[in-house]
Order: sequence, then structure tokens, then C-alpha cells
Amino acid sequence: AQSVSQHNHHVILSEAASLELGCNYSYGGTVNLFWYVQYPGQHLQLLLKYFSGDPLVKGIKGFEAEFIKSKFSFNLRKPSVQWSDTAEYFCAVDRRRNNDMRFGAGTRLTVKP
Amino acid sequence: DADVTQTPRNRITKTGKRIMLECSQTKGHDRMYWYRQDPGLGLRLIYYSFDVKDINKGEISDGYSVSRQAQAKFSLSLESAIPNQTALYFCATSDPLDTQYFGPGTRLTVL
Repeated sequence: AQSVSQHNHHVILSEAASLELGCNYSYGGTVNLFWYVQYPGQHLQLLLKYFSGDPLVKGIKGFEAEFIKSKFSFNLRKPSVQWSDTAEYFCAVDRRRNNDMRFGAGTRLTVKP
Repeated sequence: DADVTQTPRNRITKTGKRIMLECSQTKGHDRMYWYRQDPGLGLRLIYYSFDVKDINKGEISDGYSVSRQAQAKFSLSLESAIPNQTALYFCATSDPLDTQYFGPGTRLTVL
């Protein structure tokens, strides 16, 4: 079974629309949580991460994510998307006890100008 | 200059051939990783290394081997390539806070 689930495979939005991409994981225990972005033709780069503290974390380019421990979720949000946000977004979970990173299948975001 | 580099960037080979993908990093990180990316499956971990003497299997290590020649170098080998190993391969390093830094990827096609 998929350990990190991203339920939306492809999301299509118009510019200025709000975005929320879901991410759920199935591990117990302490985890580090990440969102990575892969722009067309480029390699993955870190968007934001959560290790501890405030469950609402802010990343680059206006993105934020909220860790809800009770729901095992780490959803990515942006209030108003731009055409340049067109990319594939990956949620990743690092199980600290096991020291390995697991990625979700990715969500492709297409923003129409 | 890029912090994590991969060679080659593209490779087409035939079934049964031995292939080596190379990764170098200038970030000074101890931890290095090899992933493959397939459409609809995201990234899956093949092998990872926490230092030169520490190499571990990931989710999908069958059919692959690795060599950590130095702190800065981590190579992935396919001893006898098969078509379902056609994928995009990424090398990555991670810092002490577990943030990963990815290379540009190697697109491998096995005919």
C-alpha cells in the first residue's frame, strides 16, 4: 500500500484561483514532512518543510502547508496561483526512526493563464 | 556550478547491457541517495548511503547495485539492464536536517 498518498493526480486551475493539494501518510511516530516541486524540465527542489513547532509552515513563492497530526495530513496551499506555478508537486515523509524518505506519487498542477 | 551533478544526462541502451550512472556532489554532505521516477509512481528509493562505509537498500533495490567511492561520489549500476528499468533516475544528497538536494536527473531508456 502507498505509504504517502496524494489523492489528486492532476489539478487544473485558472490564474488567481486558490490551491489545496492533499497529502496523507500512514506512519506512526515522529516524521519530518516536505513538499518538493518539479518545474517542467527541471529537477526537484524544496518548497517547504516541517520538523516541529508551529504546524503551519510557510515556504517559497507564497506556498504554505499545515500539519494536522490527528489526520496524518500535510496539505499544501496557496491563496492565488500563477501560471508559473505549473509544475509537479511531491509530498515526502521522512520516517526519522528508519532514516528513509518516501515520496507520494505526485500531483501535476496546470495553471491556465 | 551545480551542487549535485549526474552523468550521463541521457542514455539509451539495450537489454542485457551493464550501465553505470554517476553522481557527484560539492555540498559536503555525508548522505546520498538514488531514486527512480516513473509516471504515476513518484520517486522510489533504490539505495542510500549515510557515509562511505554505510550503504543501504531502499524500496526497489533488486537489479541495481551502488558504489560509494568517496564522500562526494555515489554511482548506481544496472548489471544487466531490462526494459522496465527505463525511467528517470535522480541522485540526491541530504543535509543534517534531512532536506534533500537533487541532481538534474538521468533519463535512461532500455530497449
